[in-house]
Amino acid sequence: DAGITQSPRHKVTETGTPVTLRCHQTENHRYMYWYRQDPGHGLRLIHYSYGVKDTDKGEVSDGYSVSRSKTEDFLLTLESATSSQTSVYFCATGLAGDFQETQYFGPGTRLLVL
Amino acid sequence: AQKITQTQPGMFVQEKEAVTLDCTYDTSDQSYGLFWYKQPSSGEMIFLIYQGSYDEQNATEGRYSLNFQKARKSANLVISASQLGDSAMYFCAGTGGGNKLTFGTGTQLKVEL
Repeated sequence: DAGITQSPRHKVTETGTPVTLRCHQTENHRYMYWYRQDPGHGLRLIHYSYGVKDTDKGEVSDGYSVSRSKTEDFLLTLESATSSQTSVYFCATGLAGDFQETQYFGPGTRLLVL
Repeated sequence: AQKITQTQPGMFVQEKEAVTLDCTYDTSDQSYGLFWYKQPSSGEMIFLIYQGSYDEQNATEGRYSLNFQKARKSANLVISASQLGDSAMYFCAGTGGGNKLTFGTGTQLKVEL
């Protein structure tokens, strides 16, 4: 498995507060992804990155932004958190970014927005 | 793009029995991959098995096999000789036209003595 860590692992915040989640990988994978997991929806792609400073939107990108200034770090920012963004957030990485590549996941971050 | 459907919200199986978890997919892409992940109660996502659209043989990984029926657009996971540690949520996922993974809603499997 790719060495993927996420921080923080748990966070409680208030509506309207900015929040940044960090994903760090040690495998030098080019591709990194942010997903959110909600009951009844499985995991849904928020944003992904295909290289340093190269990012693109996923299925549920509204209210989120990302940045990748180094290969190993991919940040997810909620500019102004809302209760609908209460979720479990997973980071994943992949080497080549093609249809047959397995994505490996970090441990997840539980975010509660009050 | 992919659409993944898992129609079994919950399943029960007796220890040492085999169980099949259903997954159907819908894509117009010729090149796609199908994946199964396991999520135990601790929350991590564990990769189990992969099947490519061009693979003619069904994938197998230990006690896991993927029953791939292309004409039916199904990619069912078969777990043989179930163990108590197999109790978890199982997600089917697929790629199509690139690397974006689309997940199903999951099946909660409970293995009973």
